[in-house]
Amino acid sequence: EAQVTQNPRYLITVTGKKLTVTCSQNMNHEYMSWYRQDPGLGLRQIYYSMNVEVTDKGDVPEGYKVSRKEKRNFPLILESPSPNQTSLYFCASSLGLAMANEQFFGPGTRLTVL
Amino acid sequence: AQSVTQLGSHVSVSEGALVLLRCNYSSSVPPYLFWYVQYPNQGLQLLLKYTSAATLVKGINGFEAEFKKSETSFHLTKPSAHMSDAAEYFCAVHGDNFNKFYFGSGTKLNVKP
Repeated sequence: EAQVTQNPRYLITVTGKKLTVTCSQNMNHEYMSWYRQDPGLGLRQIYYSMNVEVTDKGDVPEGYKVSRKEKRNFPLILESPSPNQTSLYFCASSLGLAMANEQFFGPGTRLTVL
Repeated sequence: AQSVTQLGSHVSVSEGALVLLRCNYSSSVPPYLFWYVQYPNQGLQLLLKYTSAATLVKGINGFEAEFKKSETSFHLTKPSAHMSDAAEYFCAVHGDNFNKFYFGSGTKLNVKP
């Protein structure tokens, strides 16, 4: 089954404790992206990757890191989480956005930083 | 810079009534525009997209949207609401850099029996 998976689905942590949210897709997509969803703000793009070893900042990259060492995986790293990073996070993948290709979304990771 | 604005964070309609969700865009280049739907506790899925091939775009589940350049709008409609349409709907647009993507703030649709 074609899908984007994220782990963990739920995470409660404390300020400053490094964490990684994993994202994996099995569709051989070149493009992957991370978003955060906050009430009243919709989804905002954190980082995206056009291909292996090619990443760039979205609209809200502060406090986040990403890496793309393999085509299928695109982990999101919070080196020192803070309470304002409490949010619902979505990973998405696509063949590429230049041709208006659909993005496929994972189920989301709900993160709470205390 | 690209952006989208959704008017109305909550819309409530009766089952069988017309659904109209509003989206206006701002774009410095001919836009690709999208509507995504998010059902409770799920990720987003594509409803429909505009890529300049036709101004009236039909999507899944009976939804359609019309691109109006003069009004910079891309409103989503469905002639007859169903209880299963209750969800949050997001309008979205590419950035000038096609790798960037911008979502509106979302509209929650409530369908009353």
